[in-house]
Parts: sequence; C-alpha cells; structure tokens
Amino acid sequence: ETGVTQSPTHLIKTRGQQVTLRCSSQSGHNTVSWYQQALGQGPQFIFQYYREEENGRGNFPPRFSGLQFPNYSSELNVNALELDDSALYLCASSHPRAYEQYFGPGTRLTVT
Amino acid sequence: SQQGEEDPQALSIQEGENATMNCSYKTSINNLQWYRQNSGRGLVHLILIRSNEREKHSGRLRVTLDTSKKSSSLLITASRAADTASYFCATGLIQGAQKLVFGQGTRLTINP
Repeated sequence: ETGVTQSPTHLIKTRGQQVTLRCSSQSGHNTVSWYQQALGQGPQFIFQYYREEENGRGNFPPRFSGLQFPNYSSELNVNALELDDSALYLCASSHPRAYEQYFGPGTRLTVT
Repeated sequence: SQQGEEDPQALSIQEGENATMNCSYKTSINNLQWYRQNSGRGLVHLILIRSNEREKHSGRLRVTLDTSKKSSSLLITASRAADTASYFCATGLIQGAQKLVFGQGTRLTINP
C-alpha cells in the first residue's frame, strides 16, 4: 500500500457534465501526476503538478485541468464529459529528485 | 500514444515456473521502470533500472536493459499465484516533467 489516496472510488456521470477527482499525495512528496487508463491499455500521462504549478502536460485537451494545493493534494477536473472519457484515473506522487512514482488506487469514471 | 510495447500481451504458466516479459521502446530514455497492476487497481512500483545500467535484481525479479536495442526484459523466478497481475514497463524521458510513458502491458496468469 502506498500512502496515496484517491476519491471517489467510482463515479458515474452523464455526457456533457463536469467531474472533479481528488488525490492526496504520499507524505514528503510534492509532485503529483495524473494518468488516464482506458480498459485494456496502459496509463497515459495527463499532466503533472509541482509546487502548485503545472509542470508538463500530455496530449489531452484543455477541458482536462488540474490544481495542486499547498498541502500537495491535487484535483483533476474534466469539463464537458465525453463517452471516451470513461476510464480509470490514476494519481501518482513522487519526490522531486526521484524517478519512481507511487500510485493511488484510482477512480473509475463511467460516462453514459 | 504509447511509447513501449510489451511482449507477450498475455502469458499463462504453472506455479513455480519462471515468467519472462519483454518491453521495447522508441526514444532515448533516462530510466525504465516496471510496475504491477492487480485487477484494474493502482500500479505498484517493482523496480527501476537507469539507462547506464544493464541488469538489476530485486528479490525474485531480474531486469535487463539493452539501450542499443531499446529493449528491456523482466524475469520473475519461481512464480506464485499472487504474481497473477498485469505488468507494465514505463520509460522515464529526459526532458521536462518526470512523466512516465507506459506500454500496453503483459497479462500474467499463474496457474496453481
């Protein structure tokens, strides 16, 4: 078990709605990354936050946005949900001088 | 898009046998990591090998890296039923954020 927690565990939304997913990082880690994992695929990098600033972004549209708070917890917001947004969303925290990332259990989002 | 490709996509062996999974990638890397995922939940970091290393061991795990061929392999010796999971290789790129680029994974099943 890592010290990374995510909420909620599962979520069902309707197309066009907005969703907020939350992540608490492991103690001592000030870097948080978000990944999207479609069924049967590997995780894909959405973006990373370091000291409350976005520090790199993958190939995702602007309707995917995030925040990091002073306690290093983070939120992922997705606007105008589409059916293809249905996936497992994973949050990972890391130490800024280390390469290993520690993942939370994920949030399963279903868009209908 | 995925950086790496794992081979095979699925592997089924008897308990006690060794399991070997391969990973190929496309671009220059700083490090390569292997992660395990049980039943669509969070990923667990297994082992990291840096680009200037050729082999690394951790318990029953042995990882090799051949940067000239842009490939890596993960060997699990004396497999156990608890090793049943999906295994992903992830490359850490040199530029920008410490994002991980994952392959599509190998689904390993250990039969009792």
